[in-house]
Amino acid sequence: AQTVTQSQPEMSVQEAETVTLSCTYDTSENNYYLFWYKQPPSRQMILVIRQEAYKQQNATENRFSVNFQKAAKSFSLKISDSQLGDTAMYFCAFLTPGAGSYQLTFGKGTKLSVIP
Amino acid sequence: DGGITQSPKYLFRKEGQNVTLSCEQNLNHDAMYWYRQDPGQGLRLIYYSQIVNDFQKGDIAEGYSVSREKKESFPLTVTSAQKNPTAFYLCASSITQAGGKPNSPLHFGNGTRLTVT
Repeated sequence: AQTVTQSQPEMSVQEAETVTLSCTYDTSENNYYLFWYKQPPSRQMILVIRQEAYKQQNATENRFSVNFQKAAKSFSLKISDSQLGDTAMYFCAFLTPGAGSYQLTFGKGTKLSVIP
Repeated sequence: DGGITQSPKYLFRKEGQNVTLSCEQNLNHDAMYWYRQDPGQGLRLIYYSQIVNDFQKGDIAEGYSVSREKKESFPLTVTSAQKNPTAFYLCASSITQAGGKPNSPLHFGNGTRLTVT
């Protein structure tokens, strides 16, 4: 079974600074996808960024980028120029396509607070 | 605008009563999912459905039931057999493709907070 571990239950960062959220996963699969989701106080789950395991290039989306280390099974999220609106729970998620189903396995989340 | 609608936003029930949570999507997605979220637990999969009239148990299906009579709808019933039903429930949908390669991530609804007393 796949597992996803987020070792930082809570983090804080000053506005305009950079913060990195950690995520490790365990799998025996070679083909998989990784995602970071953001859940603000409204509790809407919003996709932040995704990475295909077969791509060596790290994904980037504006101020958000990942450091994907496949051998180490690590998938950290870097937020640059942090903004107050980045305050949220962040969930790392892992997906293995198989038998026609696409089940996401989520980590327990990291609560990020951006301080003015 | 396309999206996923969950209703109601807040739901209160007495212990021993069954309750059904609604989830409707107009994204034309084949697959739909129900997740449960508890503090400190992340999201856990209850049930999922790849096509109409078919669904599969997730990791924590006990005490829950679902139906998929229409592509747009995937209601979740929390039965009296669910020992700890108070939680936040999230419905999601996604595209599925032949060949097993998803080309989009999950799209989530806004959730339903169920409180059972």
